[in-house]
Amino acid sequence: AQTVTQSQPEMSVQEAETVTLSCTYDTSENNYYLFWYKQPPSRQMILVIRQEAYKQQNATENRFSVNFQKAAKSFSLKISDSQLGDTAMYFCAFMKHKQNSGYALNFGKGTSLLVTP
Amino acid sequence: EAGVVQSPRYKIIEKKQPVAFWCNPISGHNTLYWYLQNLGQGPELLIRYENEEAVDDSQLPKDRFSAERLKGVDSTLKIQPAELGDSAVYLCASSRQGRETQYFGPGTRLLVL
Repeated sequence: AQTVTQSQPEMSVQEAETVTLSCTYDTSENNYYLFWYKQPPSRQMILVIRQEAYKQQNATENRFSVNFQKAAKSFSLKISDSQLGDTAMYFCAFMKHKQNSGYALNFGKGTSLLVTP
Repeated sequence: EAGVVQSPRYKIIEKKQPVAFWCNPISGHNTLYWYLQNLGQGPELLIRYENEEAVDDSQLPKDRFSAERLKGVDSTLKIQPAELGDSAVYLCASSRQGRETQYFGPGTRLLVL
């Protein structure tokens, strides 16, 4: 079984600053996907960014980027130029890879991020 | 395109009563997931469908929970009878067959009194 650990239950950052959320995972799989999902108070889970394990290059999406360290099984999320709308619960998630089939996401417990003015 | 639709958004029932949740996935998405999210926790899979077939229901408490996905589109998750510990958010997600990105609905928040 895969486990995902988010060691920071809560974090805060000032507007326009940069913050990094940490995530580690444990797996024996070689091919897999990693995700960061955002869940604002409205509770709609939104995909922030994803990373394929076979790709060495770190994924980026505008102000969001990841630091993927496969050997260390670490997958941190960096949010640059933080905005008030970034306030949300952030979940790190792992998915095994299998062609032509979906797998369930294994989620961490989440990190609550508060962006302050 | 329209997102994943769930109803109701909120439900309050007394324990031992039945309750049902409905999910309409994104058009063209063959795979449908039901997740349970307890307060302060990440979602956990209850059941996964590929079209109309339940391919992973190992985490579904079958003594009181049931699910169906007739015609491989909409899905219904039922609890009968509900217990106090079932109070949680029930999330539905969908994805295209063979694609890894899942899209979530807004969830149904259940409170059992």
